Amino acid sequence: GAGVSQSPSNKVTEKGKDVELRCDPISGHTALYWYRQSLGQGLEFLIYFQGNSAPDKSGLPSDRFSAERTGGSVSTLTIQRTQQEDSAVYLCASSLSTFQFFGPGTRLTVL
Amino acid sequence: EDQVTQSPEALRLQEGESSSLNCSYTVSGLRGLFWYRQDPGKGPEFLFTLYSAGEEKEKERLKATLTKKESFLHITAPKPEDSATYLCAVQGAGAGSYQLTFGKGTKLSVIP
Repeated sequence: GAGVSQSPSNKVTEKGKDVELRCDPISGHTALYWYRQSLGQGLEFLIYFQGNSAPDKSGLPSDRFSAERTGGSVSTLTIQRTQQEDSAVYLCASSLSTFQFFGPGTRLTVL
Repeated sequence: EDQVTQSPEALRLQEGESSSLNCSYTVSGLRGLFWYRQDPGKGPEFLFTLYSAGEEKEKERLKATLTKKESFLHITAPKPEDSATYLCAVQGAGAGSYQLTFGKGTKLSVIP
């Protein structure tokens, strides 16, 4: 596709359940980023993948959060044992150089 | 630690009423300052990148400028379709230099 795509667009889950969020970056983009956008807050960096290098996980808020990127393309962000404070919009971005192109985000609601 | 502060938090303008949005930043070695537009329910859309003080870029009714401490997004004769949240972000030269540090945004409403 022409842009970054994310699925699902909306996810409602119960507290304690695990969720998986998917990101398809722009073809050929070597870098992939996950951000979290909470109400009234700026975008918060979560994790960064670059090519085949080890990812930078420094932004992950707890060990309940993990992410992987398969074949240098699609990425999955997994949140285990979800908590209400995990409710936010999760944004994925990809880039080839300086600026990042964002997907539409997944709105996660934890009841 | 890189920091970005945007002001005002919200701005209401009449159609045709020009104004400016402010982005103040502190960063260890600026690699780039970015402006994005975000519409409700959508991801940020890239507008501009500025790299050095004195640089200016224009796109339609928008003009971005950069100094060593802040950036301005000038909106000339805005139209209702310019209503959106405008995000500013910086990329520093320190550790984790690929990360963008975002401000909280300015929500712009342009009234017909």
